[in-house]
Amino acid sequence: DTAVSQTPKYLVTQMGNDKSIKCEQNLGHDTMYWYKQDSKKFLKIMFSYNNKELIINETVPNRFSPKSPDKAHLNLHINSLELGDSAVYFCASSQDPRGTGDGYTFGSGTRLTVV
Amino acid sequence: GEDVEQSLFLSVREGDSSVINCTYTDSSSTYLYWYKQEPGAGLQLLTYIFSNMDMKQDQRLTVLLNKKDKHLSLRIADTQTGDSAIYFCAESINNQGGKLIFGQGTELSVKP
Repeated sequence: DTAVSQTPKYLVTQMGNDKSIKCEQNLGHDTMYWYKQDSKKFLKIMFSYNNKELIINETVPNRFSPKSPDKAHLNLHINSLELGDSAVYFCASSQDPRGTGDGYTFGSGTRLTVV
Repeated sequence: GEDVEQSLFLSVREGDSSVINCTYTDSSSTYLYWYKQEPGAGLQLLTYIFSNMDMKQDQRLTVLLNKKDKHLSLRIADTQTGDSAIYFCAESINNQGGKLIFGQGTELSVKP
């Protein structure tokens, strides 16, 4: 199936831990993104990468570090997790970083709960 | 500035039309999108409109864009209970690396 897939779907962890979320797309897109959806359903971009190169870093704390080993993968590593990091994290991809009519394909989300 | 606003809730009866409204502030948007999110699921692209168009129709969906007033709407004809979800309006801004600016989402509730 062609898609954006992210793992894990659910992640429950204690404050202070370090965790990673993985994302892979097999759509052949050049650009990948991480978005955060808070408890009020508000979606905000965190990062975008185009062909493994960081192009957007939207004032995210440096405890969050994205890594793109190749253009089909964009992983998100979070150090020293805090309660406020609890959210749903969505990975997405698009063919063109300028925005196109094809839109952006989103993964199904990773629900992170920090306790 | 970059801001997209939507009303938070809409309730309609099955078979009626639903109209979800959205306003945005950035005039350099290139594409405007409507996404649907069902509970516990990701975002599904419903439709989009290029910023130089006024209207787009796609089966039960009609998108209207008033660029002068920076107003976008999504009309769903013959709304069904399966249309109950959160609908997000989003804009992509020229030369912003593909960043999407989302509205807060409108929760559509369809009553039988």
